[in-house]
Amino acid sequence: EAEVAQSPRYKITEKSQAVAFWCDPISGHATLYWYRQILGQGPELLVQFQDESVVDDSQLPKDRFSAERLKGVDSTLKIQPAELGDSAMYLCASSLGSLSYNEQFFGPGTRLTVL
Amino acid sequence: GENVEQHPSTLSVQEGDSAVIKCTYSDSASNYFPWYKQELGKRPQLIIDIRSNVGEKKDQRIAVTLNKTAKHFSLHITETQPEDSAVYFCAARQSAPAVANTGNQFYFGTGTSLTVIP
Repeated sequence: EAEVAQSPRYKITEKSQAVAFWCDPISGHATLYWYRQILGQGPELLVQFQDESVVDDSQLPKDRFSAERLKGVDSTLKIQPAELGDSAMYLCASSLGSLSYNEQFFGPGTRLTVL
Repeated sequence: GENVEQHPSTLSVQEGDSAVIKCTYSDSASNYFPWYKQELGKRPQLIIDIRSNVGEKKDQRIAVTLNKTAKHFSLHITETQPEDSAVYFCAARQSAPAVANTGNQFYFGTGTSLTVIP
């Protein structure tokens, strides 16, 4: 069964350093999402892609976060510089399309710890 | 934007009993309501969903009910088993937007930690 892949699974960094996370969605999935999940809370959308285009980045802290999906397949989320408050699980998800009932499949996540 | 509230935040039940988790949403334009199960250290996985044109949906021991008028939906787990122990999240989503290249994000509840006591 196809799954969303993410790497790395764990990342420890010091504040002010740069970090990058990678996501490979399920083949053929046009819609890709990056979420941040703080312990004890539900996932919060950071950015949504439709193919290579950003369709929603209203909750992305653009002064330090950036995301790209250059060829409409895999995607990278970057934080520069990292801050203590960025410690969280970063989840990538993909769906076939953006119809409301298109099932969303999650990756295993990258757990970021900023020291 | 949409606001999804979920209750309770923690729930403990004896094995074999039923568990009910409730969510409310604020935006009447939301028309799709999935439920996710997230076991410790694992990815969220869809367990059941319901569209706004349906009032109830059942899949073996799991059922979801939707009241569009009251804007609330609930997850019902019957005959609970220890492997049902996990965090459950509800979510709400609107239709794909009419304007191209704008988003229709999932809005998640804050989660319910369910513990099934053997």
